[in-house]
Amino acid sequence: KAGVTQTPRYLIKTRGQQVTLSCSPISGHRSVSWYQQTPGQGLQFLFEYFSETQRNKGNFPGRFSGRQFSNSRSEMNVSTLELGDSALYLCASSFPGRRRLSRSNQPQHFGDGTRLSIL
Amino acid sequence: SQKIEQNSEALNIQEGKTATLTCNYTNYSPAYLQWYRQDPGRGPVFLLLIRENEKEKRKERLKVTFDTTLKQSLFHITASQPADSATYLCALGPYSSASKIIFGSGTRLSIRP
Repeated sequence: KAGVTQTPRYLIKTRGQQVTLSCSPISGHRSVSWYQQTPGQGLQFLFEYFSETQRNKGNFPGRFSGRQFSNSRSEMNVSTLELGDSALYLCASSFPGRRRLSRSNQPQHFGDGTRLSIL
Repeated sequence: SQKIEQNSEALNIQEGKTATLTCNYTNYSPAYLQWYRQDPGRGPVFLLLIRENEKEKRKERLKVTFDTTLKQSLFHITASQPADSATYLCALGPYSSASKIIFGSGTRLSIRP
């Protein structure tokens, strides 16, 4: 079974530009979460999508947005890039349990991330 | 506010010894706790999950304990090997799928031969 795939692996942008990152979850996984990882802040939650709907959102500015398609693939977009946006962006998918509450305790399967550098 | 702390940024131990990593939390009542391993340049990999009503979980050389009174989880690797060198992350999970998982900043474990 293929794992979570993130593209591109590396990206260099300049301040003020915008960027779109892509994530293909494991087949059958309908929940996709996005995280930002930096040496100083660790793994920070951005947002989670389930069945094309945003279910949770972290404390990031509106420049960070995302969406999920009907095939569960997800994209995140960052507009008006700032130097502080340089980070490893990780996507994780999980399999929802049959019962609603059991969805919350499923392990997350991470991709290897997109390394975004802002010059 | 919710806070999760992992005991130290780095831990350096001799091969063959038991490595013990600590995860403490405040202002949170988790339904479960997960441990992940992350290698440089890679995404985290899930290792173990322990629920709030479980005291201990084992998987091969790994053991996790969960004390909801102390608000602490301990992660043990017995008979450690250089290949166990990595960063280990703990994560707290909510009761409701409407709430998010919170990750600690990780402990970098180095096993010297």
